[in-house]
Amino acid sequence: QQQVKQSPQSLIVQKGGISIINCAYENTAFDYFPWYQQFPGKGPALLIAIRPDVSEKKEGRFTISFNKSAKQFSLHIMDSQPGDSATYFCAAGGEAAGNKLTFGGGTRVLVKP
Amino acid sequence: KAGVTQTPRYLIKTRGQQVTLSCSPISGHRSVSWYQQTPGQGLQFLFEYFSETQRNKGNFPGRFSGRQFSNSRSEMNVSTLELGDSALYLCASSLLFSESGETQYFGPGTRLLVL
Repeated sequence: QQQVKQSPQSLIVQKGGISIINCAYENTAFDYFPWYQQFPGKGPALLIAIRPDVSEKKEGRFTISFNKSAKQFSLHIMDSQPGDSATYFCAAGGEAAGNKLTFGGGTRVLVKP
Repeated sequence: KAGVTQTPRYLIKTRGQQVTLSCSPISGHRSVSWYQQTPGQGLQFLFEYFSETQRNKGNFPGRFSGRQFSNSRSEMNVSTLELGDSALYLCASSLLFSESGETQYFGPGTRLLVL
């Protein structure tokens, strides 16, 4: 059972544009929602994370929007750069989930110069 | 601080063999989790160890096992390898029991190819 659904599977955006990736979860016990960025040949690296007590968190060009009632959260990458080309994973977890992260299927983002 | 290290980085085995992968967490981190990453199934949780005890386990067959040592280093073992076990095996460490303790930091992974 896929508990975290991520869309789209792939995304092409022009340099300077906005990349938007959406995730939906099912388990209401989740209380920690990180986003990871993965480059080929590397392990995932934490980008930004949010908890359900806030609706938005911004770090530089990366913003997470969180909708608790809809059980959805999204990543916005503003002013996308070619160096942002990577695969992005949303995840859900938290102490109630036993510190286990459940990942979305990933979104491959390509930023064209 | 050094990051999470995994050895070996690449491994080729044949069906039926067994394999042991090693993970050294970030210094001071006591929780180690293992994940399997494949193009078809994505990132799937295998198990988590904390203070040498398995705290959580994913939906994988008993051929997949692990352990953690007193210095928090962890190993995972896969016995009777199958072609479908070919994957990138990722280890992640976290501090736990702190404000951002659940943040998991991933190593570069061990790429296993089963022929």
